[in-house]
Amino acid sequence: DIQMTQSPSSLSASVGDRVTITCRASQSITYSLNWYQQKPGKAPKLLIYSASTLQGGVPSRFSGSGSGTDFTLTISSLQPEDSATYYCQQSYSTPLFGGGTKVEIK
Amino acid sequence: QVQLQESGPGLVNPSGTLSLTCAVSGGSIISDNWWSWVRQPPGKGLQWIGESYHSGSTNYKPSLKSRATISVDRSKNQFSLRLSSVTAADTAVYYCAKKSHDSGETPGAFDIWGQGTMVTVSS
Repeated sequence: DIQMTQSPSSLSASVGDRVTITCRASQSITYSLNWYQQKPGKAPKLLIYSASTLQGGVPSRFSGSGSGTDFTLTISSLQPEDSATYYCQQSYSTPLFGGGTKVEIK
Repeated sequence: QVQLQESGPGLVNPSGTLSLTCAVSGGSIISDNWWSWVRQPPGKGLQWIGESYHSGSTNYKPSLKSRATISVDRSKNQFSLRLSSVTAADTAVYYCAKKSHDSGETPGAFDIWGQGTMVTVSS
């Protein structure tokens, strides 16, 4: 089975900072990697699919990159409303989510 | 725009069966999508349970396959989850979600979610 490892599990950054979250698959999943944002008490929201394609309506400060086993979600300039937990999900085989990264604003 | 809405009991007895329904509005369930269930135990991450295509074809998380049944009701434009022999470990927020087919606009991604419904397993 493919395992998904996200890091870090949490981070704290200031408004305007560049934030990077990493997701690693235990084997190649080509470009089959999606990113979600979840705020407390809310359903997850799709941010990026196929590793790097921005979902409609998502601010351009969010970007995704990577292929094979290593993927990155980047927030180029952190905003207060970006405080949330972020999950990666592989869609190469049976859907599996990473453990999540909680992003807090300093 | 497709919208999803979960419904069902918020409390289930241990060893009983959890039953939830997801109503699909703004679009047809007969479309090139997988209709899915995802759950989230309190304070924990997301766990995919399984999915059904409108044809009745299904896929499940292996560890839940023996207890989970997902079905589609095309006449009511809704799909359902049944999870048998529940324990406290099944206590979670349950989400229904639409997952695009691999050939769809957002291949393999869960692009539409319901608001979620909390189910507690307790006597």
